[in-house]
Formats: sequence, structure tokens, C-alpha cells
Amino acid sequence: RKEVEQDPGPFNVPEGATVAFNCTYSNSASQSFFWYRQDCRKEPKLLMSVYSSGNEDGRFTAQLNRASQYISLLIRDSKLSDSATYLCVATNQAGTALIFGKGTTLSVSS
Amino acid sequence: GAVVSQHPSRVICKSGTSVKIECRSLDFQATTMFWYRQFPKQSLMLMATSNEGSKATYEQGVEKDKFLINHASLTLSTLTVTSAHPEDSSFYICSAPLPQETQYFGPGTRLLVL
Repeated sequence: RKEVEQDPGPFNVPEGATVAFNCTYSNSASQSFFWYRQDCRKEPKLLMSVYSSGNEDGRFTAQLNRASQYISLLIRDSKLSDSATYLCVATNQAGTALIFGKGTTLSVSS
Repeated sequence: GAVVSQHPSRVICKSGTSVKIECRSLDFQATTMFWYRQFPKQSLMLMATSNEGSKATYEQGVEKDKFLINHASLTLSTLTVTSAHPEDSSFYICSAPLPQETQYFGPGTRLLVL
């Protein structure tokens, strides 16, 4: 089983749509979780951290369920500029390195 | 602005040559840096942890004699791909953690071995 697994995608949605990405992680000792965004042929950039209490940043909402080892990202009112690959990330047991999921590709069309 | 830089951004070389990639933290010190590799349509895979003042820690399956890592200073880590072969062609990315924050990534180096 892979350490971080994500929805296979791709997700093709129209502008204004709401889209949800799911992710599971296998290492219960992971302490921190993140969503990164990666544009084609670019480095990943931090989108937001994920907390058990849930956190929201504008149109983006992230949620962590430690009991189920499940992470989600909700994007409301999708924009063309949201088109990218979204990477679910957990830290390793030591809390030092990042373990990446394979990524889910989102394509928003007009 | 960028907090981590990488050089070169792109390199094309012949099979059998060695390629050095530099990763620098800008305006902060990084005792630890990380090297990742990403093949097309695949996730980033951690290759090794670069430690200033000590040997790098390699992930399982990564050959330490092929991927030489030197953490020369608190702001510089280098990855040397020795005797590169076409299967080493990939996107190499370094990252450095900021204190109390997550990691920031360099812009990556795209390596093509002919």
C-alpha cells in the first residue's frame, strides 16, 4: 500500500463548480499534512496546511480525519487558474521529510 | 519571492558524464535540505536528506555512490549525478524547511541524458 494515496483524476469541471479531492495516508505516526499545488513542469507550492479542526482559505477548505487517516480538499467556485495538479502530502514518522501522493489533476474550463 | 534557488534549471548531457545540481537557501540557514526526483506523471519521490556537517541519508533504493550529496554550508547543498544514463533523466527538486514552517521547494532542475 502506498503511503499517500489520492483520487486518480483527472477532474474536468466547468468554471464555478465545486470539486472535492480525497486522500488517505497509511502511516498513523504522520504528524503534519498539507496540500501542495504543482503547475505543469514547475515545482510544488504550498497551498495550505491541514488540521483536524479544518481550515479554510478563501475558496479552499481542507479537512483532516485522523481516525480514518483521511484528508480532503474542497475548492468552491472553481476558476480557470485553479487548473493544476494537487498533491496530498504527509510528513514521515520523524516529521522531517514530506511524503507525496501521486497528485490529482484538475482542469477547469470556461 | 523565492526562498530556495536551484541551478541549473535545465541540463542536457551525454551518457556517462556527471552532472552537479546546486540548491541554495536564500536569506536563511538550512541545516537540512531534501532532494526529490519526479518522473513524468509520477509523484515526487524523496531521494535523500542532506545534512550539514554529516553524511546524507539516502532512501531505500537510491544509490549513494551514484547520487553524491554534499552539504557544503548552511545555505548550499549539491547533488551530483555520476555517470548519468538516460534512465536518470528526470526532474530533480530540492527543498529546505524554514523554522516553524513547512518546506519550500527550489524551482527544479530538468535533466535529460542522451
